[in-house]
Amino acid sequence: EIVLTQSPATLSLSPGERATLSCRASQSVSNYLAWFQQKPGQAPRLLIYDASNRATGVPARFSGSGSGTDFALTISSLEPEDSAVYYCQQRSYWPPLTFGGGTKVEI
Amino acid sequence: QVQLVESGGGVVQPGRSLRLSCAASGFTFGRSAMHWVRQVPGKGLEWVALISYDGSNKYFADSVRGRFTISRDNSKNTLYLQMNSLSTEDTAVYYCARDAPVAGSGLFDYWGQGTLVTVSS
Repeated sequence: EIVLTQSPATLSLSPGERATLSCRASQSVSNYLAWFQQKPGQAPRLLIYDASNRATGVPARFSGSGSGTDFALTISSLEPEDSAVYYCQQRSYWPPLTFGGGTKVEI
Repeated sequence: QVQLVESGGGVVQPGRSLRLSCAASGFTFGRSAMHWVRQVPGKGLEWVALISYDGSNKYFADSVRGRFTISRDNSKNTLYLQMNSLSTEDTAVYYCARDAPVAGSGLFDYWGQGTLVTVSS
């Protein structure tokens, strides 16, 4: 099973600042890594797939990078509505499909 | 637009069974593999099971294999999760999610709103 480790656990920033979230895999997942955003009381929403591809309707301030074992989600200029928990997920070697533990972004 | 609506959650005693449903609309259900993913309130996400578009292939997380069954009725555009021998560790919000139409998939592109299952005596 591939383990995904996200850091930091919590990120507290101000509107307009840049946020960088990290996801590290226990073995290479190539570029088969996705990022999801989850707001309180809501289902997760797909933001980024295959490391760097934005899903439909996702604002351009969200970008993904990385390959192999180290990945990042960057929010270039934080908006108040970006407060959420962000999860990474791998689909390189499954089952099982696995998620990281999440990073909470507070604005 | 794609819609996934789960139902069937509730409070159940340990050792009992429960069946969840997920009604799909806005896409060709019979062409999409489907997943169940769960989340303990306040905790992270855990993939539970996958069923292929035609029901011929099924995969399960180790934590539920042998107790949970996934099935689908393409004529009714509905996905199911039969949960047997429930334990308190199965308490979670259960989401159904569509498997994205990309190569190799295992990517969740649309999610339902979730249904809460509470296992308690």
